[in-house]
Amino acid sequence: GQQLNQSPQSMFIQEGEDVSMNCTSSSIFNTWLWYKQDPGEGPVLLIALYKAGELTSNGRLTAQFGITRKDSFLNISASIPSDVGIYFCAGQSPGNQFYFGTGTSLTVIP
Amino acid sequence: GAVVSQHPSWVICKSGTSVKIECRSLDFQATTMFWYRQFPKQSLMLMATSNEGSKATYEQGVEKDKFLINHASLTLSTLTVTSAHPEDSSFYICSARQAGARGNTIYFGEGSWLTVV
Repeated sequence: GQQLNQSPQSMFIQEGEDVSMNCTSSSIFNTWLWYKQDPGEGPVLLIALYKAGELTSNGRLTAQFGITRKDSFLNISASIPSDVGIYFCAGQSPGNQFYFGTGTSLTVIP
Repeated sequence: GAVVSQHPSWVICKSGTSVKIECRSLDFQATTMFWYRQFPKQSLMLMATSNEGSKATYEQGVEKDKFLINHASLTLSTLTVTSAHPEDSSFYICSARQAGARGNTIYFGEGSWLTVV
């Protein structure tokens, strides 16, 4: 199926730094979801967004539903080693189809 | 959050045999479940959409006769890899769509490692 544009593809950061990643689409979405996947495991839902402009936090994670409904971003503040993993976005179209981002691989250097 | 469980977590089978993987939504009903395949360091590849009580919808390039999907109840979908071959070895993940008051959310299973020898 269609995949969303997610960037950056990979990030190497120092522990304690903030992280920002985003997903963009050429069409509007009704829902944005952010997941984290550890190696060999299924993705785990981090944050769900259902309304344009919505800003939601989950601990050190903050995600926003873009006002144009065509993008979303995820921020991680004060990164720690256990933040390592692959982060995926997912968007639901008005036709109830879900599309996934290509993933951002995060490496945190202690 | 909601829980989706896959079984088995890993399976090894001989070439030519069939393998069944189960996906269960433990605390909600899911009329729609999804099956994915994931290769190392790559994104999820949607294989098919499993609809309760009806035929699955397969993505282009996915052989429906090889990857049989059954969604007989609102909490269970199964993926059967028929006549498995070594190239079918992969990480298979399912997800289930939960309808909420604000919108739909997808929850993933833990994944199942298939090794065909």
